[in-house]
Amino acid sequence: SQQGEEDPQALSIQEGENATMNCSYKTSINNLQWYRQNSGRGLVHLILIRSNEREKHSGRLRVTLDTSKKSSSLLITASRAADTASYFCATGTYSSASKIIFGSGTRLSIRP
Amino acid sequence: DAGVIQSPRHEVTEMGQEVTLRCKPISGHDYLFWYRQTMMRGLELLIYFNNNVPIDDSGMPEDRFSAKMPNASFSTLKIQPSEPRDSAVYFCASSSLGDPNYGYTFGSGTRLTVV
Repeated sequence: SQQGEEDPQALSIQEGENATMNCSYKTSINNLQWYRQNSGRGLVHLILIRSNEREKHSGRLRVTLDTSKKSSSLLITASRAADTASYFCATGTYSSASKIIFGSGTRLSIRP
Repeated sequence: DAGVIQSPRHEVTEMGQEVTLRCKPISGHDYLFWYRQTMMRGLELLIYFNNNVPIDDSGMPEDRFSAKMPNASFSTLKIQPSEPRDSAVYFCASSSLGDPNYGYTFGSGTRLTVV
C-alpha cells in the first residue's frame, strides 16, 4: 500500500517558473525523501528531511516538512527543461526507517 | 562505483516460463531492496535484505516470487511460473544507513514482458 500521495498528479509550467509539489502521508515518520525519475530510467535520490527538521535546501530545491499536518512540499526554483520528470516522495517510519514507501508521484513538464 | 547494476535490461518471456532478474548493489551498502513499478499500482516494495538476510517479504505477491541474496554483492528475484500480470519494471536499490545523507541508489531496472 502507498503511504504518500502527491499533489498534483501532473503539473505543466513555463521554463523559468517555480514548481511546487506536495506530499501527504498517513502515519508518523522518521524521515521523508524526494526522488526524481526520468522517463524509462531508475529513480534518483534528491533530498532527505528528518522528522525533527522543518526545511532543507539543496541547490534549486527546497523541501519543507510539517509533521502536524503530515505533509511535505518540494519547490524547484527557476525550472529548466531538464527538470521534466516524475517526482516521488517516500517515507520511512520509526519502526522501519530503512524501509521507505513511495507515493504515486507528480509528473512535471517544463515548457520551453 | 558503477552504481547498482541490474540485468537484463529487457526480458520478454512466455507465460509459464521461469524468469530470473539479477542485481549487484553498491559495494558497502548493507541494504538491498526489490521494487516493482506499474502504471496501475505505482512503486511497490517486494522484499528487502539487510546484510544478506531477508527482513520483510510481505510485499511479495505470491509464492511464484522468490528472492535470494547469497552474498553482499549479488541478489536475484525469480518468478516461476511467470504470468502476463507480472509484466512491469522491476527495480533493485541499495542503501546504507551509515550514510549521513542516507538515500536509496536505484538501478536502471528490468522491463519484464510476459506474453
